[in-house]
Amino acid sequence: GAGVSQSPSNKVTEKGKDVELRCDPISGHTALYWYRQSLGQGLEFLIYFQGNSAPDKSGLPSDRFSAERTGGSVSTLTIQRTQQEDSAVYLCASSLSQRSEAFFGQGTRLTVV
Amino acid sequence: GENVEQHPSTLSVQEGDSAVIKCTYSDSASNYFPWYKQELGKRPQLIIDIRSNVGEKKDQRIAVTLNKTAKHFSLHITETQPEDSAVYFCAATGTASKLTFGTGTRLQVTL
Repeated sequence: GAGVSQSPSNKVTEKGKDVELRCDPISGHTALYWYRQSLGQGLEFLIYFQGNSAPDKSGLPSDRFSAERTGGSVSTLTIQRTQQEDSAVYLCASSLSQRSEAFFGQGTRLTVV
Repeated sequence: GENVEQHPSTLSVQEGDSAVIKCTYSDSASNYFPWYKQELGKRPQLIIDIRSNVGEKKDQRIAVTLNKTAKHFSLHITETQPEDSAVYFCAATGTASKLTFGTGTRLQVTL
């Protein structure tokens, strides 16, 4: 595809269940970011992958959150034992390098009921 | 790590007036400073960026200035129009760091 693709677009889950969010970055982009955005709020950094380097996980809010990037391409963000405060839009972005434009996906709106 | 502060958090201007949003950063190694615009319900999109080897960059009605000594950079929008209403985010990054965003400025252009 031409842009960053995220799936699903919307996800409603029950409290306590695990969820997986997927991000397909632009082909060839070595940098991949996950951000979380609550309604009307800013972009909260979660995790950053750059090439083959160890990911920067400093933004993950708890050990219920994890992410991986397989083969330097597709990334999945997993949230275990979801809580209501996890409800937000999860945005993925990719860029050719750290110093170039980051392109965002359309986001996954997660609602925990 | 990098810390980016952004002011103001909200800004209301009349159509045709100018708008200025200011950001400061903490890491002197940062050398790339993009600005993103996020319209309601949409994803953030790059509107302009500047690298540390220049002090100013212009693109039609928008311009960005960078003061490396003071570690601050600003977005200037002239002749504002209703379609400029959105949330604007500044960001900073360097060769060994992630893209760090400011907290955002909600710009409202009134008729």
